[in-house]
Amino acid sequence: AQSVTQLDSQVPVFEEAPVELRCNYSSSVSVYLFWYVQYPNQGLQLLLKYLSGSTLVKGINGFEAEFNKSQTSFHLRKPSVHISDTAEYFCAVSMSGGSYIPTFGRGTSLIVHP
Amino acid sequence: GAGVSQSPSNKVTEKGKDVELRCDPISGHTALYWYRQSLGQGLEFLIYFQGNSAPDKSGLPSDRFSAERTGGSVSTLTIQRTQQEDSAVYLCASSLAPVSGTKNIQYFGAGTRLSVL
Repeated sequence: AQSVTQLDSQVPVFEEAPVELRCNYSSSVSVYLFWYVQYPNQGLQLLLKYLSGSTLVKGINGFEAEFNKSQTSFHLRKPSVHISDTAEYFCAVSMSGGSYIPTFGRGTSLIVHP
Repeated sequence: GAGVSQSPSNKVTEKGKDVELRCDPISGHTALYWYRQSLGQGLEFLIYFQGNSAPDKSGLPSDRFSAERTGGSVSTLTIQRTQQEDSAVYLCASSLAPVSGTKNIQYFGAGTRLSVL
């Protein structure tokens, strides 16, 4: 079985500052990794995914994440945030073979201040 | 349709009443998933459908919860004799196929916010 830990429940940041949202996972097998964003009163939207290949993954809205197998991490980064990035961010992991039901972290609330 | 549609968007009910939540997945998506999102919690997996069958019901919290899917499309999640702890946002997602990788990227609806008084 796999598990996901999002280390920060809330991350406040000022507009135009860089941000990193942390995600660590545990799994005994190879994994696929995802970041989703949830804006208020909306469902989850896929930001980016790592399936294979380059460990640096670029997603929508200027976000990127790096898969670090040795540290079992998949941290999400953005060099300069906007007010509109205020949302809940979820990291998810699924096993590359076997169970296809992804496991989600508890979420990180990104709050961007003007 | 263009996306996953859930109805109602909000539901307020009295304790002990039954409720039905509906999910209309993206056309052509064979896999459908139900999750529960409670305040400050992550997504709790409830049940998954492949076509009309549910290979994985492991997440249903009690026998008051049931779900069905008809015609490989619309799904209904039913909660009988609702309790206050059932209050949450119920999210539905669909994907092309229930395999890992690209085909299993999930697309989510906006959810149904259930409040049990």
